[in-house]
Amino acid sequence: QVQLVESGGGVVQPGGSLRLSCAVSDFTFSSFGMHWVRQAPGKGLEWVAFIRYDGSDKYYVDSVKGRFSISRDNSKNTLFLQMSSLRTEDTAVYYCAKGPPGAGSYHPYYFDSWGQGALVTVSS
Amino acid sequence: DIVMTQFPDSLAVSLGERATINCKSSQNVLYSSNSKNYLAWYQQKPGQPPKLLIYWASTRESGVPDRFSGSGSGTDFTLTISRLQAEDVAVYYCQQYYIPPLTFGGGTKVEIK
Repeated sequence: QVQLVESGGGVVQPGGSLRLSCAVSDFTFSSFGMHWVRQAPGKGLEWVAFIRYDGSDKYYVDSVKGRFSISRDNSKNTLFLQMSSLRTEDTAVYYCAKGPPGAGSYHPYYFDSWGQGALVTVSS
Repeated sequence: DIVMTQFPDSLAVSLGERATINCKSSQNVLYSSNSKNYLAWYQQKPGQPPKLLIYWASTRESGVPDRFSGSGSGTDFTLTISRLQAEDVAVYYCQQYYIPPLTFGGGTKVEIK
């Protein structure tokens, strides 16, 4: 049973920074592309970022480019999202999600497993 | 960016009846070299993360009941729940992965009539 557990959420002031972590287990983390997807309260889903299985390539939605950075530590089976210059519109539940096997390890595809999410609230 | 439009926003269906959810993409998501539609469907129940139902527009994820089916090609897609059950009450999202940024439809809320 694939497990993804996010941590690091909380309340931060506008302009502040926060680092989310996603600890995974029960699959070979180093073989799969990984994503962050967010959901503002009462709203729909928004893809945020993708990182290739080996960390060699990354993709971002325009609204977070230059402010957020996705990374991974394959030796610790952990995915990260470093968020800076946070805005009120970044308030959301942030989900860590796993890409499918095969080409999904190299390119952002769909999400076959999800964590329970971490709430990030940006407010003064 | 590819815009995904779902309709209706919500629908109420009687138990055992069919529910049909539509999703339209602003650009073609059929990749001609492999004839695959880069389209997935998810189910999200209240307080839970989304769950993958369908990928490649019509391939059911392992463990998903066969009352869920996906169809369509190019820009127009449909998720069908053939015989609605109480546990199917949820919001359903389509998502394209033809080209980044990955984008979702706005969601369709399915309720029991």
